[in-house]
Amino acid sequence: DQQVKQNSPSLSVQEGRISILNCDYTNSMFDYFLWYKKYPAEGPTFLISISSIKDKNEDGRFTVFLNKSAKHLSLHIVPSQPGDSAVYFCAASDRGSRLTFGEGTQLTVNP
Amino acid sequence: GAGVSQSPSNKVTEKGKDVELRCDPISGHTALYWYRQSLGQGLEFLIYFQGNSAPDKSGLPSDRFSAERTGGSVSTLTIQRTQQEDSAVYLCASSLRGDTEAFFGQGTRLTVV
Repeated sequence: DQQVKQNSPSLSVQEGRISILNCDYTNSMFDYFLWYKKYPAEGPTFLISISSIKDKNEDGRFTVFLNKSAKHLSLHIVPSQPGDSAVYFCAASDRGSRLTFGEGTQLTVNP
Repeated sequence: GAGVSQSPSNKVTEKGKDVELRCDPISGHTALYWYRQSLGQGLEFLIYFQGNSAPDKSGLPSDRFSAERTGGSVSTLTIQRTQQEDSAVYLCASSLRGDTEAFFGQGTRLTVV
């Protein structure tokens, strides 16, 4: 039962353009959502989070959007930079319990 | 320490041996998580600690896997009678209360030969 899904295993964008990473979830009890970035041979690095009481959270080049009715969240990176190339995981939790992760999306930003 | 620390960083073991993986969370963080990532797979939840107790251990794949946490700090994940399918990167994370962002260690790469 995959409660958090990232349907795109990979995404390629040009440097300077917007990267949009998508995530869908099925558990309506999830109330906290996070995005992580992971480089090879390293642990995931926290990027940005959003509570279910909000629909948008912005931090520099990163913005997370939450659409609760559609059970969908997205991460926007603008402008994209080559150093953003990594695997991006979305995660969700239910009132402070375990984090449930998606399968990840490999982002490649081409110079 | 400033971040989550895991040891060893790499472990090669023979099939059938027991292994212990250690996690030192960020000081003051009450929540601690163990995940693993097999080759080409996503992050698989194993167990979650709040303080020294484990309210959710539903992700442990078999009774060969166990974990404990002492003093609300260090955690040890033990795998008994290792099998080749146990080969993966084992990741530990901690968060302040469990309803805030979790910070991950670098992981322990376990290879069972």
